[in-house]
Amino acid sequence: DTEVTQTPKHLVMGMTNKKSLKCEQHMGHRAMYWYKQKAKKPPELMFVYSYEKLSINESVPSRFSPECPNSSLLNLHLHALQPEDSALYLCASSQGGSRGRNTQYFGPGTRLTVL
Amino acid sequence: GQNIDQPTEMTATEGAIVQINCTYQTSGFNGLFWYQQHAGEAPTFLSYNVLDGLEEKGRFSSFLSRSKGYSYLLLKELQMKDSASYLCAVRVRPYGGATNKLIFGTGTLLAVQP
Repeated sequence: DTEVTQTPKHLVMGMTNKKSLKCEQHMGHRAMYWYKQKAKKPPELMFVYSYEKLSINESVPSRFSPECPNSSLLNLHLHALQPEDSALYLCASSQGGSRGRNTQYFGPGTRLTVL
Repeated sequence: GQNIDQPTEMTATEGAIVQINCTYQTSGFNGLFWYQQHAGEAPTFLSYNVLDGLEEKGRFSSFLSRSKGYSYLLLKELQMKDSASYLCAVRVRPYGGATNKLIFGTGTLLAVQP
């Protein structure tokens, strides 16, 4: 089973709203990732959690706040977003650690529209 | 800086063979992945190379030359469902960091025609 689930599938929010994106995996993976993907562009890394600790933040604005409550769950809290933040937000997970193939498996994404 | 290049678009005929090239200039190289992504869907893993040479997996093969900073994905017996974007992604370990990360190329949009 290489399934990563994400909710919601679609989200429309205003610039003053607060919302959260959720990601879950039950593969025993210890690394989890958030990516942002604009239309016709490749995914861009936002955050990496390794063993439930934030290990990479790619200089993401503070209106995006990640959280890893446990090894299976990853959240992305959104507040005061801008219309240019509209994109597909992808979650991924991998085994973790520095050895081996460590393939990242992606969830289906949340299509976010900021009005 | 980190740079990964792929052709933007390619067209091929059903049943044919197509080769999608990827060239990269990165520091801390630690493996290369190919992903397939259909429009509006998540990327799905196709292949992985960390040593030089060819990896074959059914209709898909991937080749890596680390000295040349070059990889290709070979798709045989093309089917209409192979129409998708193909992403080359290099795994790097940032200097001084303990965590690897993937850097994606721009992607190649492949159109398979009857």
